[in-house]
Amino acid sequence: DAKTTQPTSMDCAEGRAANLPCNHSTISGNEYVYWYRQIHSQGPQYIIHGLKNNETNEMASLIITEDRKSSTLILPHATLRDTAVYYCIVRVENRDDKIIFGKGTRLHILP
Amino acid sequence: GAVVSQHPSRVICKSGTSVKIECRSLDFQATTMFWYRQFPKKSLMLMATSNEGSKATYEQGVEKDKFLINHASLTLSTLTVTSAHPEDSSFYICSARVTGVRDTQYFGPGTRLTVL
Repeated sequence: DAKTTQPTSMDCAEGRAANLPCNHSTISGNEYVYWYRQIHSQGPQYIIHGLKNNETNEMASLIITEDRKSSTLILPHATLRDTAVYYCIVRVENRDDKIIFGKGTRLHILP
Repeated sequence: GAVVSQHPSRVICKSGTSVKIECRSLDFQATTMFWYRQFPKKSLMLMATSNEGSKATYEQGVEKDKFLINHASLTLSTLTVTSAHPEDSSFYICSARVTGVRDTQYFGPGTRLTVL
């Protein structure tokens, strides 16, 4: 069973920041929050992951609440190419934890 | 990031034939690879975990004799769909695990299998 809850779909205007929420209220202390996305008919793409501190890379920022029960993936300047299904996953780093995908959030970037 | 390739990208075969799909990690070694399948408008479903040099571990409900997995080297895993039937038509995706500082999985581009 997926350990995360995400909205089914979201819209965002091109050029604006896309903020994708994820609830993971049962997250364990050693579980990381991972984000992947899947563009239509392609394999999933790794975006970012973190434990408790906020993380930023060239693709996105990850904001994790202090109690770690929820997080937000931020795409700072969304483009049409960011239209995809975004998956929030929790797992333990450096263990044989499988990545189990939930239903994710279908993000539509509107021109 | 690490690159994972799959071959072929798409295949059409007749019912009853077997199809082999290759998954390669191009710039890193992967002791563990994973195989997923995805039906239209559905999420990815994990089929099995492929470990180099040992037998694959299959998820509940996945027939190991139907979906043969071989992880012969640290850069190659293969999935063979035996005696394929139309219901096996799907999008098959592999991933390879990178461990260490940035433990994560990198996914291949997928293979679309159509069984006629």
